[in-house]
Amino acid sequence: GQQLNQSPQSMFIQEGEDVSMNCTSSSIFNTWLWYKQDPGEGPVLLIALYKAGELTSNGRLTAQFGITRKDSFLNISASIPSDVGIYFCAGQRLSNYQLIWGAGTKLIIKP
Amino acid sequence: DADVTQTPRNRITKTGKRIMLECSQTKGHDRMYWYRQDPGLGLRLIYYSFDVKDINKGEISDGYSVSRQAQAKFSLSLESAIPNQTALYFCATSAGGDTDTQYFGPGTRLTVL
Repeated sequence: GQQLNQSPQSMFIQEGEDVSMNCTSSSIFNTWLWYKQDPGEGPVLLIALYKAGELTSNGRLTAQFGITRKDSFLNISASIPSDVGIYFCAGQRLSNYQLIWGAGTKLIIKP
Repeated sequence: DADVTQTPRNRITKTGKRIMLECSQTKGHDRMYWYRQDPGLGLRLIYYSFDVKDINKGEISDGYSVSRQAQAKFSLSLESAIPNQTALYFCATSAGGDTDTQYFGPGTRLTVL
């Protein structure tokens, strides 16, 4: 089935480091979404992007909608322990409203 | 109280059994979705419903059926469970429109032995 290419699959970082992850696709999306999933919970929306080139921040998180509409990245600055979890990108087309999901990036903070 | 609830949260069953997972929402949204999550594969859409009379198959509907009993309720059934249906199942809702954000329930962990 369809899936976005999300990388990296996992990241081991020190507290205070910046984090960057991205998603790419061979097809165009109208919307890019970034979700975070904590253990035992459903995904929670972090940032939504609706226009090519759009750069949006939510606290220490910044995400961008790629100019080609085929990619997006998420940056987390100065990571803290509560940033641990799995981050998912999702793309949406207006034609059918379905979300296509990346496989997730698992963020682990080294003690 | 949670806006999107799922019952049960955990279920262990045997091959061939019929299982129903239930989802309720208090957000007043018309659109509801069922997803399956497997390690390393992200979320995959099973079925979705844009209103009470609208049911659509998603990417992986084989082996599943759904019922939209009311605007607030959307249930997923496995008619004859098999081991490769062991997964985490999520219900989601959205209001529709240009910014169609989906809100997720806490998930149901299903194990088929």
